[in-house]
Amino acid sequence: SAVISQKPSRDICQRGTSLTIQCQVDSQVTMMFWYRQQPGQSLTLIATANQGSEATYESGFVIDKFPISRPNLTFSTLTVSNMSPEDSSIYLCSVIDPLGGYTFGSGTRLTVV
Amino acid sequence: GQSLEQPSEVTAVEGAIVQINCTYQTSGFYGLSWYQQHDGGAPTFLSYNGLDGLEETGRFSSFLSRSDSYGYLLLQELQMKDSASYFCASAGNKLTFGGGTRVLVKP
Repeated sequence: SAVISQKPSRDICQRGTSLTIQCQVDSQVTMMFWYRQQPGQSLTLIATANQGSEATYESGFVIDKFPISRPNLTFSTLTVSNMSPEDSSIYLCSVIDPLGGYTFGSGTRLTVV
Repeated sequence: GQSLEQPSEVTAVEGAIVQINCTYQTSGFYGLSWYQQHDGGAPTFLSYNGLDGLEETGRFSSFLSRSDSYGYLLLQELQMKDSASYFCASAGNKLTFGGGTRVLVKP
């Protein structure tokens, strides 16, 4: 199955700053997905990233706050901009696995202080 | 829109059987998936039901009834390592997750 390398694994950031999260997949994939998981909660889809086009954002998420890059079929970044304590969450990238289901990166645990 | 409902928590003892129910209201529904997530870890794929019926994978089985908009995950011969959160998710053009069920296995 697909293997995803996600960085950083965790970070503590000052409010008002930005953090960029990277995901590298060991195979070419058409779509990459970015999720947020707030403490003790389920996963919420932020956006779907396709190579060569703008990401598609879910209701409640906007490009200015969560800009996404998808420069090729194996890599994507999510930036959390102008952070506030409410952005403290785990952020995960995901791809559809050809063997079944979705495969997730190991997650980025973000704390905003 | 899509919504999936599942119980928030289940407690059972080692060796027992646990059934986690999931009811859904979705548009563009293709099937139901189940994921396991240990504390501090990423979700991992357990099973997928695209058709009605039972899918068995070792100690875990999953069931889907499209007519009832209902599915379940069955955990048999519970082990301590099965303590985790379990999520149902509807597979359409994107994956939408239920709220998750925290399973606590006691000795």
